Amino acid sequence: AQSVSQHNHHVILSEAASLELGCNYSYGGTVNLFWYVQYPGQHLQLLLKYFSGDPLVKGIKGFEAEFIKSKFSFNLRKPSVQWSDTAEYFCAVIGLGNTDKLIFGTGTRLQVFP
Amino acid sequence: EPEVTQTPSHQVTQMGQEVILRCVPISNHLYFYWYRQILGQKVEFLVSFYNNEISEKSEIFDDQFSVERPDGSNFTLKIRSTKLEDSAMYFCASIPGTGGRGQETQYFGPGTRLLVL
Repeated sequence: AQSVSQHNHHVILSEAASLELGCNYSYGGTVNLFWYVQYPGQHLQLLLKYFSGDPLVKGIKGFEAEFIKSKFSFNLRKPSVQWSDTAEYFCAVIGLGNTDKLIFGTGTRLQVFP
Repeated sequence: EPEVTQTPSHQVTQMGQEVILRCVPISNHLYFYWYRQILGQKVEFLVSFYNNEISEKSEIFDDQFSVERPDGSNFTLKIRSTKLEDSAMYFCASIPGTGGRGQETQYFGPGTRLLVL
């Protein structure tokens, strides 16, 4: 069965610190990968996605993620976080085949202090 | 930018009561989804819907659940007889449906927080 693991449940950083959130998935076939973000009181919105091509993908607000197929990983990074990055971050995958359901990780709550 | 909307934002109900959660997907989208997130747990897929039919459903989506597109704009999730364990945030999502399955970004609504007492 497909699954997604996010190892960091709660991360606390100061502004300007670098961020890396881990995401690993379990699936035997081809996947599409996503990071969604949920700001306080707002809906889930797409941060970035990987379908194919360059495994280093860039998203909104200076975020990027790298797909490492051999490690089944899709870690999210940002070189310098801001207070406005305080949010919950969800990694998700779609196992390609006859499905389009998103399988989510448990989420990582990021708090950035000024 | 068009958004998925959901009503109500919060709903409190008694165990055994029926609830209907409403979603208005983005207007030209063709595929619709429901997910839920029990407090402290993962966001879980419930059901996908296309062309007035369920295209996929999870084990969670048992006979107590149903979905409907009653008109050209709304997409509803009905829970016939709510249980305490149905308390969760319920998210609706939609996609244009013009790409291949699994190839499009799902756009989420803000969620409905359901509390069953």
